[in-house]
Amino acid sequence: EIVLTQSPATLSLSPGERATLSCRASQSVGQFLVWYQQRPGQAPRLLMYDASKRTTGIPARFSGSGSGTDFTLTISGLESEDFAVYYCQQRSSWPLTFGGGTKVEIK
Amino acid sequence: QVQVVESGGGVVQPGRSLRLSCTGSGFTFNNFGIHWVRQAPGKGLEWVAVISYDRVEHYGDFVKGRVSISRDTSENTAYLQMDSLKSEDTAMYYCLAEGEDRPTGRRVEYWGQGTLVAVSS
Repeated sequence: EIVLTQSPATLSLSPGERATLSCRASQSVGQFLVWYQQRPGQAPRLLMYDASKRTTGIPARFSGSGSGTDFTLTISGLESEDFAVYYCQQRSSWPLTFGGGTKVEIK
Repeated sequence: QVQVVESGGGVVQPGRSLRLSCTGSGFTFNNFGIHWVRQAPGKGLEWVAVISYDRVEHYGDFVKGRVSISRDTSENTAYLQMDSLKSEDTAMYYCLAEGEDRPTGRRVEYWGQGTLVAVSS
């Protein structure tokens, strides 16, 4: 199965700052990578699919990039509701797999 | 109003079985693929299984034949049958419906709030 490694495990930033989250795959997943946000006590929600496409209702401060094995989620200008845990997931091959998550916390 | 609701969780003894249900409303459920994802307490997300709109199934490697996914189109419901439960199956089990938002062409997902499964003697 494809292993996804997310870094850093924790990101401590202040509101308004830029967050850069990384997801690396053990083998190429093409562009078949999605990003999720999970706030405490809530179900995850889809942010990005196909590495760089925002789903409906996701603000433009979220952007995704990358292909193959290296991917980045960028949040430009953190707002209070953005402090959460972020997961990547590959949709390239079965079984689908998740990364271990990056927690974005308030500094 | 779009809703996805899971049910069927609870406390179960090791070795027993449980069937979880996932019912969708407010969208064309039968056009969506249905996934189950679980999250052990304080841990990350783990993908369990999927059934496509045309009933193709895939499973996580850890399932090892203990899990079966199905759907009933007449009831807008999908099921996750779990057998030979172990303590490590203790988790919140989420259902999500994956498909396309027709007006925009974007992929959308509708998640439920989860149902908790606790495997304990």
